[in-house]
Amino acid sequence: AQKVTQAQTEISVVEKEDVTLDCVYETRDTTYYLFWYKQPPSGELVFLIRRNSFDEQNEISGRYSWNFQKSTSSFNFTITASQVVDSAVYFCALGMIYNQGGKLIFGQGTELSVKP
Amino acid sequence: DTGVSQDPRHKITKRGQNVTFRCDPISEHNRLYWYRQTLGQGPEFLTYFQNEAQLEKSRLLSDRFSAERPKGSFSTLEIQRTEQGDSAMYLCASSFHRGQRGTYEQYFGPGTRLTVT
Repeated sequence: AQKVTQAQTEISVVEKEDVTLDCVYETRDTTYYLFWYKQPPSGELVFLIRRNSFDEQNEISGRYSWNFQKSTSSFNFTITASQVVDSAVYFCALGMIYNQGGKLIFGQGTELSVKP
Repeated sequence: DTGVSQDPRHKITKRGQNVTFRCDPISEHNRLYWYRQTLGQGPEFLTYFQNEAQLEKSRLLSDRFSAERPKGSFSTLEIQRTEQGDSAMYLCASSFHRGQRGTYEQYFGPGTRLTVT
């Protein structure tokens, strides 16, 4: 069975601090995709990144960076120099490549609060 | 291009009533997904369509739930004889798939928040 665990329920930081959101996943498949979504207070899930299991290269997009380590089944998300607008719930999700219709399996989310 | 839209945004209903939600996906997307999200949890998969065909239903989708996607465009999700446990946010997402494999990024609508009293 597939599972995604986000052990941090809530994180609170002060603006300009760096923060890392943890994501650990479980799957028996050797090929899969991993995603991060942001859910601001307005409620709409916003796609941030998709990575496939073949590519463990870390990725950076502006203040966002992602660290994928297949050996530890982790796909962590770091926000550098956090801003108040980063306050949201962040979800990590797992998607299968073969079969299963492309549905996403989400973690429980980490609520990030960035205070001025 | 507009994103995924859902209607209504909020619905309050009494237990036992039927409700129907609508989702309009991004126009060129061939896959449409329904998820349910309860407070403090991540979204949970309910069902999905490839064009007009409903290809998978979760065990969460009891026989009181039915979904359609006529003509492969918009989709409706109906809940019959609503129960208080049906109170949740119902999210719709769409994606474009090439071929049979892959999990491409899904774009979500704003959701319909259902409250059953």
